[in-house]
Amino acid sequence: AQSVTQPDIHITVSEGASLELRCNYSYGATPYLFWYVQSPGQGLQLLLKYFSGDTLVQGIKGFEAEFKRSQSSFNLRKPSVHWSDAAEYFCAVGTSGTYKYIFGTGTRLKVLA
Amino acid sequence: GAVVSQHPSRVICKSGTSVKIECRSLDFQATTMFWYRQFPKQSLMLMATSNEGSKATYEQGVEKDKFLINHASLTLSTLTVTSAHPEDSSFYICSASRDATNEKLFFGSGTQLSVL
Repeated sequence: AQSVTQPDIHITVSEGASLELRCNYSYGATPYLFWYVQSPGQGLQLLLKYFSGDTLVQGIKGFEAEFKRSQSSFNLRKPSVHWSDAAEYFCAVGTSGTYKYIFGTGTRLKVLA
Repeated sequence: GAVVSQHPSRVICKSGTSVKIECRSLDFQATTMFWYRQFPKQSLMLMATSNEGSKATYEQGVEKDKFLINHASLTLSTLTVTSAHPEDSSFYICSASRDATNEKLFFGSGTQLSVL
């Protein structure tokens, strides 16, 4: 069965510092992988997605993620965090032709000034 | 980019009443819409998949008579929480896909339901 694990519930970084949010998935075939960001009381905004091809994916707001099949991981990174990046981040896995995205439990990012 | 509007953003109702939540795709036709429920500090749980003109497909454990879904057009899906109880209080989010592959979902801003 598909599953997504985000090991870190909370992460706190200083503004300007680098960031890496971890995501591990379990899926038999090549999955479609996503990172979404959610601000308080809001819906989700897609940061980036991976379907195939280059394993390093660039997204919006300066985020990137790298698909590592050998590690079943899809970690999200940003070289320099801004205070506006404080939010909840969700990793999700899906497959083409199905309607179900499995979401991780989320990582709450706090940014210190 | 594609916009999905969800209304209302917040609703408070008395126990036993019904509440309707609307999800609209504003600038595209949504082949499929999805409804999720999110408890505080938890992830999104898919409740049901809504296809225009057909019955919704509910996930295991979701009561179809409790959570009525109607997808009357390619731009509108509604979720009605019937005979709401305090345990139904939650954040409900819809999403919409504009292609058959569902490779990209557009999310509404969510509805916070509080049942007194």
